[in-house]
Amino acid sequence: EAGVAQSPRYKIIEKRQSVAFWCNPISGHATLYWYQQILGQGPKLLIQFQNNGVVDDSQLPKDRFSAERLKGVDSTLKIQPAKLEDSAVYLCASSSRGFNYEQYFGPGTRLTVT
Amino acid sequence: AQSVTQLDSQVPVFEEAPVELRCNYSSSVSVYLFWYVQYPNQGLQLLLKYLSGSTLVKGINGFEAEFNKSQTSFHLRKPSVHISDTAEYFCAVSDTNAGKSTFGDGTTLTVKP
Repeated sequence: EAGVAQSPRYKIIEKRQSVAFWCNPISGHATLYWYQQILGQGPKLLIQFQNNGVVDDSQLPKDRFSAERLKGVDSTLKIQPAKLEDSAVYLCASSSRGFNYEQYFGPGTRLTVT
Repeated sequence: AQSVTQLDSQVPVFEEAPVELRCNYSSSVSVYLFWYVQYPNQGLQLLLKYLSGSTLVKGINGFEAEFNKSQTSFHLRKPSVHISDTAEYFCAVSDTNAGKSTFGDGTTLTVKP
């Protein structure tokens, strides 16, 4: 089966600009996660969707980050406006039945904010 | 609230030697436990997981981990490592009630010839 797809793979923007990332999970996976991984740290959960509903977004900086998962399939994560500290790899993952099952990760999008 | 502490940021070891990567966690609720591996220039993939039952869990590539509830630990072990095991290893927990996942900051395992 096809894995989790993410695009773009790399993005360089200036601070105060906006950026969007796209994720297409494995077909049939109900749960989708967005993580932020800063260099030297582990992935930090930003938002978790179950189908098209939000399960957890407690660590999402809602003043500048937004995410949606229309129709419960693919998802977009947006940052507007970007700050220097948003430089990180943004990982998307999906799982078939929720939090007690294996998460399948995409290759990530490396964002550099200058 | 939950947290994960990986006690060693870097572990260098010679080929064919045993290795242990340590992971402690803290949580006010029951959790599931996972180890993920990230090879250079690749995404994260699951090594093994503990959901319930036997506290000794076997995973891929000869790795195993033991869940110790009293010490809130989930250490990863391999009796004999290979050069190809060089990677970043992440310990993670998931809240069994709300499903929130928390990852440790990772341990870089470097296997030297």
